[in-house]
Amino acid sequence: QSALTQPASVSGSPGQSITISCTGTSSDVGNYNLVSWYQQHPGKAPKLMIYEGNKRPSGVSNRFSGSKSGNTASLTISGLQAEDEADYYCCSYARSSTWVFGGGTKLTVL
Amino acid sequence: QVQLVQSGAEVKKPGASVKVSCKASGYTFTTYAIQWVRQAPGQRLEWMGWINAGNGNTKYSQNFQGRVTITSDTSATTAYMELSSLRSEDTAVYYCAREFDYGDYPYAFDIWGQGTMVTVSS
Repeated sequence: QSALTQPASVSGSPGQSITISCTGTSSDVGNYNLVSWYQQHPGKAPKLMIYEGNKRPSGVSNRFSGSKSGNTASLTISGLQAEDEADYYCCSYARSSTWVFGGGTKLTVL
Repeated sequence: QVQLVQSGAEVKKPGASVKVSCKASGYTFTTYAIQWVRQAPGQRLEWMGWINAGNGNTKYSQNFQGRVTITSDTSATTAYMELSSLRSEDTAVYYCAREFDYGDYPYAFDIWGQGTMVTVSS
């Protein structure tokens, strides 16, 4: 099971918006609306930011949003803040009750 | 509050096995699955497998098939992940996480343990 493809790094200035892509296949991202996104600060456990592609858990800022087109899911962060600097991982449910993560994207806030 | 607390760091020799525990509290243990995810130093998250804490059913990643065993003890509200035939490439932080297909956050991992560092070294 191959990892989902994410850009290794993205960057943006405070107040700007950035988008992180997550490309899978018709066996995972393309076949299910079950992509989740996680934020991970250094030395910390991941934190759920988006589930079912575009839904935010309670307590997560509305600056975070998700979408999907075909085999590619995306995470957009608007109004970048310094605290958003972290690694971001996408994850998709795949066939036969399995899950697959992306390679991770390092977000730098300039 | 809802939390998952994992066992402490381990150092193992190549060829040995390690068993990591994940104690759940603050929710009905048997309603949720416990997922296991690992992260080698500087590397990505990697899904390993899961257990239905209610009925004990399991599913493993093909990448670990035959080497990983996930179990649970409902009386102790604890899940366990055992990895055998350890090699240096298994050096990683191992996380447990809660998931429920029909819960508030379907098919997503909403609560994570703090992680357990497993070092494999001769």
